[in-house]
Amino acid sequence: NAGVTQTPKFQVLKTGQSMTLQCAQDMNHNSMYWYRQDPGMGLRLIYYSASEGTTDKGEVPNGYNVSRLNKREFSLRLESAAPSQTSVYFCASRERTSGSIDEQFFGPGTRLTVL
Amino acid sequence: KNQVEQSPQSLIILEGKNCTLQCNYTVSPFSNLRWYKQDTGRGPVSLTIMTFSENTKSNGRYTATLDADTKQSSLHITASQLSDSASYICVVSAIDAGSQGNLIFGKGTKLSVKP
Repeated sequence: NAGVTQTPKFQVLKTGQSMTLQCAQDMNHNSMYWYRQDPGMGLRLIYYSASEGTTDKGEVPNGYNVSRLNKREFSLRLESAAPSQTSVYFCASRERTSGSIDEQFFGPGTRLTVL
Repeated sequence: KNQVEQSPQSLIILEGKNCTLQCNYTVSPFSNLRWYKQDTGRGPVSLTIMTFSENTKSNGRYTATLDADTKQSSLHITASQLSDSASYICVVSAIDAGSQGNLIFGKGTKLSVKP
């Protein structure tokens, strides 16, 4: 049981290049999320997927696209990377456990630098 | 505007000492409050989750308190260990926020435990 896995762990891009960050979870959760974390700021939601086949924008979606490939996998794509997208990206999955309580589990992160 | 404020931003303590981290929030309507521990280079890991009706919850040497009237929470760490060195993030969830969950993240308190 690996939980939430992300690839790659590190990536350096040049401005204008594209790449896809991969995320997979083995907990059979319906909801999956992509966040970015920048120094001095809290985690900010980029996109989320409430269930297989659905995706919605979060707080900071500009410059990103996502695909919920199946229940396990949720990918984040940068079509034309910009230096402002230098950040640490976290994928998370979430499931309601009881009442109003839900557990959210984070992956180890992808550290992206755009030159 | 929904906000979560944490203090202090950073804290240095000696191994074996106790410390208390603070979290103030203005999230409404409130559903639950959670504390995460984030080790350097890793994703956040949940320590405690508290609903409106709970005012204290423990997880080993970690004890979280919640005062829903004053909209304040604290995380108390007892007999600190070097492995407690990490960032501690306060996250508040709003009621009926759907699958997005409307999690509002604080910026975190960076704790350093010195020998």
